[in-house]
Amino acid sequence: KQEVTQIPAALSVPEGENLVLNCSFTDSAIYNLQWFRQDPGKGLTSLLLIQSSQREQTSGRLNASLDKSSGRSTLYIAASQPGDSATYLCAVRNSGNTPLVFGKGTRLSVIA
Amino acid sequence: DVKVTQSSRYLVKRTGEKVFLECVQDMDHENMFWYRQDPGLGLRLIYFSYDVKMKEKGDIPEGYSVSREKKERFSLILESASTNQTSMYLCASMGYQETQYFGPGTRLLVL
Repeated sequence: KQEVTQIPAALSVPEGENLVLNCSFTDSAIYNLQWFRQDPGKGLTSLLLIQSSQREQTSGRLNASLDKSSGRSTLYIAASQPGDSATYLCAVRNSGNTPLVFGKGTRLSVIA
Repeated sequence: DVKVTQSSRYLVKRTGEKVFLECVQDMDHENMFWYRQDPGLGLRLIYFSYDVKMKEKGDIPEGYSVSREKKERFSLILESASTNQTSMYLCASMGYQETQYFGPGTRLLVL
């Protein structure tokens, strides 16, 4: 059964710092991987989707990479801002017809 | 922009009541999902649907049922609400582009 782990559970950084959030999964035969952001008390917002054939995706200050063979993905946030403070969740899909399996998230605080 | 809406942001119900949570998406997506989110447990899948009138159990279907009579609407039903069903409920939809979109969530309190 696929399991997704995100370490650390919480992270606090000063504004302006570049940072990396980690995601690992136990079954490397994934279909795609998605990163989400969740603000307190709100729903999830999709940030990036990486297909299994891709190595990375970029959107603005965000860059997500995927290493299927090692079962890992990273979300790189450049020049962090207080508005980036949120919980970031990673999720993988094993095949086209299966639901996403979520990690428990990393709670990020960016201090001004 | 994809829009997923949920009928209520906050709901308070009494133990034993039948509770309906409604979710509507406006992008003609085939796939829809219901999750609950609890501190320390993360997101857990309750039910999902890949087409109208079709449903599949997720990881924690006990105490819940669903209905999908129309493509755009996916309803979650708590047959007899219990206090351990107090939670944040999140609906999502997904189309052929495979990005999953979430609604704003319903925070349900069962007294």
